[in-house]
Amino acid sequence: DVKVTQSSRYLVKRTGEKVFLECVQDMDHENMFWYRQDPGLGLRLIYFSYDVKMKEKGDIPEGYSVSREKKERFSLILESASTNQTSMYLCASSRGGRVRKTQYFGPGTRLLVL
Amino acid sequence: AQSVTQPDIHITVSEGASLELRCNYSYGATPYLFWYVQSPGQGLQLLLKYFSGDTLVQGIKGFEAEFKRSQSSFNLRKPSVHWSDAAEYFCAVDLYGQNFVFGPGTRLSVLP
Repeated sequence: DVKVTQSSRYLVKRTGEKVFLECVQDMDHENMFWYRQDPGLGLRLIYFSYDVKMKEKGDIPEGYSVSREKKERFSLILESASTNQTSMYLCASSRGGRVRKTQYFGPGTRLLVL
Repeated sequence: AQSVTQPDIHITVSEGASLELRCNYSYGATPYLFWYVQSPGQGLQLLLKYFSGDTLVQGIKGFEAEFKRSQSSFNLRKPSVHWSDAAEYFCAVDLYGQNFVFGPGTRLSVLP
């Protein structure tokens, strides 16, 4: 079974803090993704990575950065958290290349920024 | 623009009743199609997927979906809903070699 884990289920941070969300997958997948999920807006792609040290902006990258130093780990960084970044964050992974691929999701991290 | 629509924001059905959740996409080519389910406070779990071949696909938990190219639709169905099916359901498409696009989701409530 594919397993995607996220370091925290719940986080509470203060405005201006630097926040790290960690994601680890155990299927040797090339692709990893970070989404945020908000009521009525569905899932929106923040960043994705198709290889170690490679990253691409998604639809809403502003206020976020990412790091992928190892294939299995993909980190989302909020350089200076703001209240409008309160959300559910979901990490996913998939095989790479131009092949049929399914995205597998972690359990999510619910972040509250005060 | 490429998009995925789920026309129903919220659906309520009685336990034991049949269910159909709608999904439409706007792409020129046939994408890969997925349905995911999200229980409260959880991540997304894959229910089923369509890549090619038989247009009626079976998934987990008794769900099925039918791809209709002429209608650009991929509707999810279940003949008899259980209370544990209450969740949010997301349709997604993967245009070959590109990233996923998710629909806005449909929240399902089940009455006892």
